[in-house]
Amino acid sequence: GDSVTQMEGPVTLSEEAFLTINCTYTATGYPSLFWYVQYPGEGLQLLLKATKADDKGSNKGFEATYRKETTSFHLEKGSVQVSDSAVYFCALSDVNFGNEKLTFGTGTRLTIIP
Amino acid sequence: DAGVIQSPRHEVTEMGQEVTLRCKPISGHNSLFWYRQTMMRGLELLIYFNNNVPIDDSGMPEDRFSAKMPNASFSTLKIQPSEPRDSAVYFCASSLARNEQFFGPGTRLTVL
Repeated sequence: GDSVTQMEGPVTLSEEAFLTINCTYTATGYPSLFWYVQYPGEGLQLLLKATKADDKGSNKGFEATYRKETTSFHLEKGSVQVSDSAVYFCALSDVNFGNEKLTFGTGTRLTIIP
Repeated sequence: DAGVIQSPRHEVTEMGQEVTLRCKPISGHNSLFWYRQTMMRGLELLIYFNNNVPIDDSGMPEDRFSAKMPNASFSTLKIQPSEPRDSAVYFCASSLARNEQFFGPGTRLTVL
């Protein structure tokens, strides 16, 4: 079945540091890939997405590129801020098989220190 | 616009009691999802509906859990009887035509 493996946390960085959170996936079809973010006490929010190979999703300075050859969708940001502290979830959806449910990774907790 | 609305936000109950969680999806959305989040198991999909019809309930843990969607603007998740291991945050999410899922703020359930 479909699965998502993401970098174990927690991750702690200083403000303005470069961020990478690794995500790899296994899917039988051609999935869409997502990064969701969860701030303390809130539900998940979509951060960015990519629907086909080589697409790059971007939002709020975050980027991720859909790499079919390495089955990866790593999240990057060039200069993190304290407000980026949250839990980040990588996910996939294989709607081509008629099922729109999301398969999530375990989440990576990110803490940014001033 | 109002997002996904869940009630209650917090629920504390005793083992054996019935618990009902409620969700109002975003108006016009045609798919609704119930998730459970725990430290041990992460985020799990319990069930999802499309056009008010249950499509995939393979994540429902056991017969104590049931979910209904009587109309396009309301869904319930019921646990009867509740057990301490059901303690978790339960999220409802909705989407339109296989697009982005919008999550509600969650219901934090504690079963004593």
